[in-house]
Amino acid sequence: DVKVTQSSRYLVKRTGEKVFLECVQDMDHENMFWYRQDPGLGLRLIYFSYDVKMKEKGDIPEGYSVSREKKERFSLILESASTNQTSMYLCASAMNGQGGYGYTFGSGTRLTVV
Amino acid sequence: ELKVEQNPLFLSMQEGKNYTIYCNYSTTSDRLYWYRQDPGKSLESLFVLLSNGAVKQEGRLMASLDTKARLSTLHITAAVHDLSATYFCAVDLQGNKLVFGAGTILRVKS
Repeated sequence: DVKVTQSSRYLVKRTGEKVFLECVQDMDHENMFWYRQDPGLGLRLIYFSYDVKMKEKGDIPEGYSVSREKKERFSLILESASTNQTSMYLCASAMNGQGGYGYTFGSGTRLTVV
Repeated sequence: ELKVEQNPLFLSMQEGKNYTIYCNYSTTSDRLYWYRQDPGKSLESLFVLLSNGAVKQEGRLMASLDTKARLSTLHITAAVHDLSATYFCAVDLQGNKLVFGAGTILRVKS
């Protein structure tokens, strides 16, 4: 089974802290994605990566950055956490060319910024 | 910019009843997906619809796609409590990037 593992299920951080959310997949997928999920807004794409060291902004990249140094790991970084970044964060991976059919999601990290 | 709209956003239904969730999208695409999410859990793939007129069925759920109308429907037949979850449609943009609807929270009452 394809597994996408997010390092933390729940996280509480203070305003202004630098926050790292880690995601690891074990199926050699080229594409990895970070989404944010908020009630009534669905899932919104923050950043995605289609290869090691390659990244592209999604729909809401402001306040976030990403790092993909190894194929299996995709990190989301909140440079200076703010309360409006309190949300559920979902990581997904997919093999190239499979589109949404190939998406596998992690269990999510619920981040609270206080 | 691709927009994906689902309605209703919340649906409370009695066991045994039928209902339909609608998913409209704003630009041409012939790949649409339905996902289910249980509370506190990740998203689970339900259906993949890859062409106009595609219809897929699994148990009490049936999904269809009309690419000309830019509309997909998820029909629930004789609902049971186990179907309570949030359902998302998502449209494939540029082959590898999904745009999601806001989700429909479904609660089935006994």
